[in-house]
Amino acid sequence: HSALTQPASVSGSPGQPVTISCTATISDSNSVYYISWYQRRPGKAPKLLVFDVNNRPSGVSDRFSGSKSDNTASLTISPLQTEDEGDYYCGSYTGNSVVFFGGGTRLTVL
Amino acid sequence: QVQLVESGGGVAQPGTSLRLSCAASGFSFRTYTMHWVRQAPGQGLEWVAVTSYDGRYIAYADSVNGRFTISRDNSEDTLYLQMNSLRLEDTAVYYCAKAKYEKVLAHWGQGTLVTVSS
Repeated sequence: HSALTQPASVSGSPGQPVTISCTATISDSNSVYYISWYQRRPGKAPKLLVFDVNNRPSGVSDRFSGSKSDNTASLTISPLQTEDEGDYYCGSYTGNSVVFFGGGTRLTVL
Repeated sequence: QVQLVESGGGVAQPGTSLRLSCAASGFSFRTYTMHWVRQAPGQGLEWVAVTSYDGRYIAYADSVNGRFTISRDNSEDTLYLQMNSLRLEDTAVYYCAKAKYEKVLAHWGQGTLVTVSS
C-alpha cells in the first residue's frame, strides 16, 4: 500500500527559506520520482506548484522549488512570504492513474 | 483560462444519492483525463476517481468503489460523479481536477460541499 509521510506542521519567518519533506514508504520508493506538490490556502482551490519532483508549471513563482534525495522529496519556499501560509500536500501516482496524497503540512508564517 | 465549476452538493441522508457535476471551460475538455478529489472536514486530500479523456479507463479509491460512478459528457464539457449509498464519512468538499500527463492534477475547481447527515 502506497504511503507518503509529511510533517504535520512547519513554520518560518518572512524572507527566510522553509522546507517541507515528503517521504515515500520503502515498499513504494519509486513513487518519489513522480512527486507533485499542491498548495491549499484558506478559501482557495488547491493549486499545483511542482510536478515530477522539480518541474514548475507556467505561472508558478520561482520561489517554489522541488528536490529529491533517496526516498524523500522536498518542497522549498524561498523567500517565504505571508501569503504562503496554508496547507501543502505532496502527491504521487501509480501506473494505473491512481493518485495518492501525503497527509498534508500546515505552514505557518511567523 | 481553465475554469472548472462544481455543483450538485448539499445535504443528504445516509443511504441516499447525489450527483455532482463539474462544468469545464477554457480548454479542450474532450482531450484530458479528469479526476475527483475530496477533503473531509479537518482532514487531508483524498483522491476519489479518475476517467480517461474518452471515458474508457476509469478507476476508483477503495473507499468509494462500488458506490460512486465517474462519467463524462464530452459534448457538454461536463464531468460527473454519481454518489450512491452515501455514508457519514463521505461528508467532504469535492473537487474536480484537470490532469496534466494524466496523473498530475494541474487545475482544480473551487469545490462543492457534500454533507451526509441523518
